Amino acid sequence: DAGVIQSPRHEVTEMGQEVTLRCKPISGHDYLFWYRQTMMRGLELLIYFNNNVPIDDSGMPEDRFSAKMPNASFSTLKIQPSEPRDSAVYFCASSSVGQGSYNEQFFGPGTRLTVL
Amino acid sequence: QQQVKQSPQSLIVQKGGISIINCAYENTAFDYFPWYQQFPGKGPALLIAIRPDVSEKKEGRFTISFNKSAKQFSLHIMDSQPGDSATYFCAASLRGNQFYFGTGTSLTVIP
Repeated sequence: DAGVIQSPRHEVTEMGQEVTLRCKPISGHDYLFWYRQTMMRGLELLIYFNNNVPIDDSGMPEDRFSAKMPNASFSTLKIQPSEPRDSAVYFCASSSVGQGSYNEQFFGPGTRLTVL
Repeated sequence: QQQVKQSPQSLIVQKGGISIINCAYENTAFDYFPWYQQFPGKGPALLIAIRPDVSEKKEGRFTISFNKSAKQFSLHIMDSQPGDSATYFCAASLRGNQFYFGTGTSLTVIP
């Protein structure tokens, strides 16, 4: 099992540019989460999907952020236009909830984004 | 508003000592409390978790103590080792889906 796959692992861009982060969840998982990690705010949930449908996007900071999940094996997080304050590590996680069970979220290795 | 408050922000412990990290929450509807461990350059990984119907859970050197009335829970690492040096996150969950993470504790275990 390859686990959650994220790309790119590192991204350096200039302010105003569009940034697209990609995630491939673990096969069979029906929940996908996007998090942002910074020193000041820790791990923040941005948005999560269930069966490819966005359930809660209240953590998305601004309209500059958008996320899609066109199918069960792929999701993107896009920032347009990017700003220096978007610099952070972005994690994708996936999970599968069984009947009456508590689900473990499996995290990818993260994408370190630097906006100059 | 931080749903889960975690302390301390950083912790230095001697090898063989006990590391203690504390978390507090407000929402009594939370029904699952996991701890995640993160090594530099890696994503967080589940370490141990507890449900609110038990007061303690132990797995090896790691123990969660849970105080439902005080709405607090803590992670104890016994016989701390240099390999335990990592960032630890507590979290609370509603219905096992959405997790609210604490701000993290950077643990350093010195030989």
